[in-house]
Amino acid sequence: GQNIDQPTEMTATEGAIVQINCTYQTSGFNGLFWYQQHAGEAPTFLSYNVLDGLEEKGRFSSFLSRSKGYSYLLLKELQMKDSASYLCAASFNDYKLSFGAGTTVTVRA
Amino acid sequence: KAGVTQTPRYLIKTRGQQVTLSCSPISGHRSVSWYQQTPGQGLQFLFEYFSETQRNKGNFPGRFSGRQFSNSRSEMNVSTLELGDSALYLCASRGAGGSYEQYFGPGTRLTVT
Repeated sequence: GQNIDQPTEMTATEGAIVQINCTYQTSGFNGLFWYQQHAGEAPTFLSYNVLDGLEEKGRFSSFLSRSKGYSYLLLKELQMKDSASYLCAASFNDYKLSFGAGTTVTVRA
Repeated sequence: KAGVTQTPRYLIKTRGQQVTLSCSPISGHRSVSWYQQTPGQGLQFLFEYFSETQRNKGNFPGRFSGRQFSNSRSEMNVSTLELGDSALYLCASRGAGGSYEQYFGPGTRLTVT
């Protein structure tokens, strides 16, 4: 595989900020996706980064550093509905996506 | 625009049987990828089809196969089912023009007993 690494679990309080880190092998790398998956549902697209820097979309932001093989997803003003698994996925020259195992985020009141 | 649809949504089979799952991509999308998701392994890439041709393949045994039809609908087949094949099978479609964003269907939950 392409060794996509992300933490297994994170817990945070409603209204707080959580940052989910993801590292990947840089050889043949094209771009980095983040997906959200609620239990029993299909993954839904959150963001796609191909250039270095921060992309902001409302309460969610995603950052990429191509040279370091590093990305993070930032969730701000956490809400209970943000409790889900967050999947980091990297695309490489061969088009296929390699997924990390997912980070389960639990938001507590 | 209708999303990606998969049938059936749930399936129970016994060891040794075979199964065929179906995926209809978003209208106009020509790329369909298949993934297996299990609690232990996460999302694993099976294969991708584009214009009826397999463009990419993951590290799964030959028991897993697929095809794509001229209308971009895709099927995947698993022969000689094993208990370890119990998983959620997801398909995802992608548009043309170099778009990398994939849209996932709801998945087929396969249970092998």
